[in-house]
Amino acid sequence: TQLLEQSPQFLSIQEGENLTVYCNSSSVFSSLQWYRQEPGEGPVLLVTVVTGGEVKKLKRLTFQFGDARKDSSLHITAAQPGDTGLYLCAGVGSSNTGKLIFGQGTTLQVKP
Amino acid sequence: KAGVTQTPRYLIKTRGQQVTLSCSPISGHRSVSWYQQTPGQGLQFLFEYFSETQRNKGNFPGRFSGRQFSNSRSEMNVSTLELGDSALYLCASGPGTSGSRLYEQYFGPGTRLTVT
Repeated sequence: TQLLEQSPQFLSIQEGENLTVYCNSSSVFSSLQWYRQEPGEGPVLLVTVVTGGEVKKLKRLTFQFGDARKDSSLHITAAQPGDTGLYLCAGVGSSNTGKLIFGQGTTLQVKP
Repeated sequence: KAGVTQTPRYLIKTRGQQVTLSCSPISGHRSVSWYQQTPGQGLQFLFEYFSETQRNKGNFPGRFSGRQFSNSRSEMNVSTLELGDSALYLCASGPGTSGSRLYEQYFGPGTRLTVT
């Protein structure tokens, strides 16, 4: 069974600080996605990374896919209260079973 | 484009009852997936439908079933409800086509089911 482990589980920081969230597995994933979920809403897709070593930027968010496609990271620069939410990584197994596997999530709180 | 819609948003049922949840995907999306989200287990995949056929299935008991109609709308049914079925049920639609976007999911707001 392929698993994705996210760390940290909880993060509470002050506005303006930088942070990194990690998503790790012992298995290879053909692609990996990051989502953000706010209370009372469904997750919203932020980015999809496909190629090992790929780096994508979305304003203050930087996403990286590990060279071996077993891990990914999300870095937020100068966090703002609007970044508060649950961040989820999700991967598609290399066997392409069609099942999206989600990590347990990282709850981020950014205090003004 | 209108997003994924789910009805109802909130539901309270009693143990032993059954429930049907509805999902309307984004126009043009042929793939609809269902997920269960709980604080303890996180987001877990239930099943995926594509062109009215179940294409993938997660590890849930047979009490959980679904179907997809010709207009891509989907329903999920849970029979003989148990207390542990209390959760946020999320529906997601996607292109379902080949390429890197194949597994991208666009989620609805979810249905909060409480079983008492």
